[in-house]
Amino acid sequence: GENVEQHPSTLSVQEGDSAVIKCTYSDSASNYFPWYKQELGKRPQLIIDIRSNVGEKKDQRIAVTLNKTAKHFSLHITETQPEDSAVYFCAADTQTGANNLFFGTGTRLTVIP
Amino acid sequence: DTGVSQDPRHKITKRGQNVTFRCDPISEHNRLYWYRQTLGQGPEFLTYFQNEAQLEKSRLLSDRFSAERPKGSFSTLEIQRTEQGDSAMYLCASSSTGRNPYEQYFGPGTRLTVT
Repeated sequence: GENVEQHPSTLSVQEGDSAVIKCTYSDSASNYFPWYKQELGKRPQLIIDIRSNVGEKKDQRIAVTLNKTAKHFSLHITETQPEDSAVYFCAADTQTGANNLFFGTGTRLTVIP
Repeated sequence: DTGVSQDPRHKITKRGQNVTFRCDPISEHNRLYWYRQTLGQGPEFLTYFQNEAQLEKSRLLSDRFSAERPKGSFSTLEIQRTEQGDSAMYLCASSSTGRNPYEQYFGPGTRLTVT
């Protein structure tokens, strides 16, 4: 089955700096790689995703890159703001009919004002 | 609010009792997922419905767990004879086989505490 590893587990950056979170996956058949942001006590929110036919995708201050050969993908947040502080999860889908997601263990990002 | 909703938000129960949670997906979404999340971990897949059919279950899903989606709309997750290890956040997510079939949207979760 799929195994998703995520690093680092915690990350502190100064406001305005960039943050990078990296994930690797094991199942080469995985096709879809979303990133979720979860604030304390709240639901995971989909912030950006990428599919295997695309190498990079950007949405304002966040971007995701995918290297299918190496089986890794990364989240990049530029010009970080205190409201970016949260736990971020990467995930990879399964190639069963369900397309259920396997999640990484999360990265707690703290943006220091 | 047109997002995924879950009820109750919190449940405290004694070991050995049965509990049932409800999930109402986004109205046009025909795919529904249950996940479990423990502290410091990412959500873990439990089971999947397409319309009213339960098509996949995790091998990790104990036979004390059962889920239904009788009319292809809301879903219930029941845990029988709860154990302390069942304490977790139970999350529901939904998606559509139509537009953007991969995007799963989560509900706020039901936090279960088994004492």
